[in-house]
Amino acid sequence: DIQMTQSPSSLSASVGDSVTITCRASQTISNYLNWYQQKPGNAPELLIYAASSLQSGVPSRFSGSGSGTDFTLTISSLQPEDFATYYCQQSLSAPRTFGQGTKVEIK
Amino acid sequence: EVQLVQSGAEVKKPGESLKISCKGSGYRFSNYWIGWVRQMPGKGLEWMGIIYPGDSDTKYSPSFQGQVTISADKFNNIAYLQWSSLKASDSAMYYCARKNYYSSGWYFFDSWGQGTLVTVSS
Repeated sequence: DIQMTQSPSSLSASVGDSVTITCRASQTISNYLNWYQQKPGNAPELLIYAASSLQSGVPSRFSGSGSGTDFTLTISSLQPEDFATYYCQQSLSAPRTFGQGTKVEIK
Repeated sequence: EVQLVQSGAEVKKPGESLKISCKGSGYRFSNYWIGWVRQMPGKGLEWMGIIYPGDSDTKYSPSFQGQVTISADKFNNIAYLQWSSLKASDSAMYYCARKNYYSSGWYFFDSWGQGTLVTVSS
């Protein structure tokens, strides 16, 4: 199985801040990388696929980059509704494993 | 509108069997893979397995192979996740999700069910 490791596990930030979350794959996955957002009590929602393609309806303050083994999710100007847990997922091969999650909390 | 609606919360005893469901609507159910994802209390997401309702082709994560069974009824647009003998460690939220793709190579879960909470306790 491909292992996905996110950092940090949690972070505190203020509204308006720019935040970056990192995801590292245990082997090269090209750009087969998705990002999801999960708010407490809700199902995850797709934010980004193919490492940098924004899912329809997702605000443009979210962006993704990377290729190979190292990827980032950036939220350019944090909004109150962005406080949530974010997960990366590799989509190269089954089982399509997730990272352990990064919780973004209000400072 | 694509919708996945899951069956309600379950409380079971160790050793009991269970089958939870996920009903799709708003799209051609047979033509899209449906996956199952486990989330244990306070923990992250775990990819369990996936089924293509059109022909019931199924793939399991090695971590869940033999522990659960995934099935589908393409005529009624329902996917299932079942256990033959539950353990306390099966207590978790279980999500179904539709697998979609971009340009025939990049796969992602673009629609999710609301989750089914399974509690196993004596």
